[in-house]
Amino acid sequence: GEDVEQSLFLSVREGDSSVINCTYTDSSSTYLYWYKQEPGAGLQLLTYIFSNMDMKQDQRLTVLLNKKDKHLSLRIADTQTGDSAIYFCAESRKAAGNKLTFGGGTRVLVKP
Amino acid sequence: GAGVSQSPSNKVTEKGKDVELRCDPISGHTALYWYRQSLGQGLEFLIYFQGNSAPDKSGLPSDRFSAERTGGSVSTLTIQRTQQEDSAVYLCASSDDPTETQYFGPGTRLLVL
Repeated sequence: GEDVEQSLFLSVREGDSSVINCTYTDSSSTYLYWYKQEPGAGLQLLTYIFSNMDMKQDQRLTVLLNKKDKHLSLRIADTQTGDSAIYFCAESRKAAGNKLTFGGGTRVLVKP
Repeated sequence: GAGVSQSPSNKVTEKGKDVELRCDPISGHTALYWYRQSLGQGLEFLIYFQGNSAPDKSGLPSDRFSAERTGGSVSTLTIQRTQQEDSAVYLCASSDDPTETQYFGPGTRLLVL
């Protein structure tokens, strides 16, 4: 079945760039997503990329997709303390109703 | 407009009792999903409704779990004879088309004692 893997933890200094990595196994993925979850809160969609794209930029966020290696990354420029949260990578397939398969989440801690 | 809402926000129950969790999707959204977030299993898909089609129940962990979607809008997730391992946050999401992105509700935190 599908599998999505992420590193558990990332520590970064305020103002630096953060890069969160994700690998997935399903070569038929249609969409790949990044969600953010703050303590006690629900999941907030940050950005998504179609599987036929290589890159997407949205303000401070840059998503890179290497389809050959099945590797997805999220770069957050000028990281702020408000970016401290758990970030989930997820993939879906249009043929399967776009139900999401999530990674285990990366806890990002931004230090002042 | 309003986002996805879920009720109750928290639920504490005793082992063996039945519970019902409710989801109100974004108005007009045809697709509705239930997920569960637990310490041991992370975030996992449970069930998916799309319009009048038969639901995709492939993620339900046991036959104690069931869900309905009435009138193509509100959905109820029912867990019968709850067990301690059912303790988790149950998340609902909706989208205006299965090809579109999903928007999540705040979740119901279930604790089974």
